[in-house]
Amino acid sequence: RKEVEQDPGPFNVPEGATVAFNCTYSNSASQSFFWYRQDCRKEPKLLMSVYSSGNEDGRFTAQLNRASQYISLLIRDSKLSDSATYLCVVNRGGGNKLTFGTGTQLKVEL
Amino acid sequence: GAVVSQHPSRVICKSGTSVKIECRSLDFQATTMFWYRQFPKKSLMLMATSNEGSKATYEQGVEKDKFLINHASLTLSTLTVTSAHPEDSSFYICSARDSLVDTIYFGEGSWLTVV
Repeated sequence: RKEVEQDPGPFNVPEGATVAFNCTYSNSASQSFFWYRQDCRKEPKLLMSVYSSGNEDGRFTAQLNRASQYISLLIRDSKLSDSATYLCVVNRGGGNKLTFGTGTQLKVEL
Repeated sequence: GAVVSQHPSRVICKSGTSVKIECRSLDFQATTMFWYRQFPKKSLMLMATSNEGSKATYEQGVEKDKFLINHASLTLSTLTVTSAHPEDSSFYICSARDSLVDTIYFGEGSWLTVV
């Protein structure tokens, strides 16, 4: 079983739609969680950290369910510029070693 | 602007030669840097943890004699791919943690093509 699992997609959605991505992780000792965005042939960039109480940043909402070892990202009012691959990232705990999921590809269309 | 800089961004080399990739933290000191590799449509895979002034820690399955890591200063880590083969062609990315702001920054990545 992979440490971090994501549906690879692609998710093709119209502009303005709401889309949700899910991610599961296998190591119950994982301590911190993130969503990164990666554009084609570029380095990943931090989108947001994920907190136990859930957190929101503009059109983006992240949720964490430790009991189910599940993380989600909700994007409201999708923009064309949101088209990218979204990476679920888990810090195994200590030392800042990040484990990346394979990413979920989002394509926002007119 | 970039907080972590990688160089070169793209490199093509002949099979059997060695290639060095540099990773620099521009505005902070990084005692620890990380090297990742990403094959097309695959996730980033941690190769090794680079520790300033000491030996790197390699992940299982990564050949330390093939991927030489040197972290001689608090702002520079280098990855040398020795005796490169076409299967080493990949996207190599480094990251560094700025402990003052508790944030990990990624370099822009280096595309290596071995022909």
